[in-house]
Amino acid sequence: NAGVMQNPRHLVRRRGQEARLRCSPMKGHSHVYWYRQLPEEGLKFMVYLQKENIIDESGMPKERFSAEFPKEGPSILRIQQVVRGDSAAYFCASSRGQIATNEKLFFGSGTQLSVL
Amino acid sequence: KQEVTQIPAALSVPEGENLVLNCSFTDSAIYNLQWFRQDPGKGLTSLLLIQSSQREQTSGRLNASLDKSSGRSTLYIAASQPGDSATYLCAPGAGNYGQNFVFGPGTRLSVLP
Repeated sequence: NAGVMQNPRHLVRRRGQEARLRCSPMKGHSHVYWYRQLPEEGLKFMVYLQKENIIDESGMPKERFSAEFPKEGPSILRIQQVVRGDSAAYFCASSRGQIATNEKLFFGSGTQLSVL
Repeated sequence: KQEVTQIPAALSVPEGENLVLNCSFTDSAIYNLQWFRQDPGKGLTSLLLIQSSQREQTSGRLNASLDKSSGRSTLYIAASQPGDSATYLCAPGAGNYGQNFVFGPGTRLSVLP
């Protein structure tokens, strides 16, 4: 049973370009969380999605950032017109159920985004 | 919003010592709390999950306790080994301010051989 798969592992973009980060949850998991980790800082929650629905996007910047988790295929975190401050490690995590069901969270290895 | 703190920020101990990592959170209306470890340049691995109705949870040399009403959790590591060196993070699950896990800043542990 493959774990949470994130790709690409490293992504380099120039200022103003778009970045698309992909996350395939573990088999049987329909809940996906995205987190961002800046150098020497903790993990900051961005968005929580269930298949085809955004459940909590309270940590998502209001502009340039969007996320989706379609019925088929991976979850996508999209950053438009990237700026140097977007450089960070982006982690995806998945679980079988919502938090109230007491399911463990499983993390991918992350995508390191570097904006030149 | 949920605020999570962890003490100490860093810890360096000789191999074999027993140690305690502390986690505090401000919103006690949580469903559960998880402890994770993160190795440099890698993702997080879940170590233990304690449900809000539980007082503690054990896995091998690890024991985690939860005092939900006072907003505290501790992770106890027995007979530490160099392989335990990593950053340990706690994450209370949900609360009054959102449906997500809020992570503490972590405790960076070094176990010296």
